[in-house]
Amino acid sequence: TQLLEQSPQFLSIQEGENLTVYCNSSSVFSSLQWYRQEPGEGPVLLVTVVTGGEVKKLKRLTFQFGDARKDSSLHITAAQPGDTGLYLCAGDRGLLDSWGKLQFGAGTQVVVTP
Amino acid sequence: NAGVTQTPKFRILKIGQSMTLQCTQDMNHNYMYWYRQDPGMGLKLIYYSVGAGITDKGEVPNGYNVSRSTTEDFPLRLELAAPSQTSVYFCASSNGQGGGYTFGSGTRLTVV
Repeated sequence: TQLLEQSPQFLSIQEGENLTVYCNSSSVFSSLQWYRQEPGEGPVLLVTVVTGGEVKKLKRLTFQFGDARKDSSLHITAAQPGDTGLYLCAGDRGLLDSWGKLQFGAGTQVVVTP
Repeated sequence: NAGVTQTPKFRILKIGQSMTLQCTQDMNHNYMYWYRQDPGMGLKLIYYSVGAGITDKGEVPNGYNVSRSTTEDFPLRLELAAPSQTSVYFCASSNGQGGGYTFGSGTRLTVV
């Protein structure tokens, strides 16, 4: 079982549409990170959120950390084909899981068609 | 900036063979990790290291071994390869202070 559950598993949308990806857990995290992975490459860090209720924006991407630090969401406005990729959330449980280890969700595959 | 470099990119092994996946980083990160990625399963931690000479098991260590003789290098050894080890392997490093991981581009391993 995954400590972090991501939904949906797959999302296919048209260019210009909006989308939201969710990352949920019953555990509390000291921080949560979002990565994007393209075929044949390793994941690339997009953002880290550390404070409950925190909202961070990266151009058309908006990341939110839940008030209780158990969940997060990624919202993409006016998606473009370049947003296509596997989006992974990863949580750091701090002292519960020392040595800076991250727990990863299974990922959400996003496909944006022109 | 090379970041994290993994070799080889692809490899096919026969059952029972052994091999070493190489990983090196040039960011002077103390923390290094090996993950395997299987479709729909996310990233599973195999082994990790918090500095030269210090390693520990992750979630799925069976069939693998690691060493960390320098800060830069963290090779992963597969002994007696099995079909269950067919996967994509990623090496990553971090400063261990919440700054995020830097991943290599992966090694796609097939055991036949």
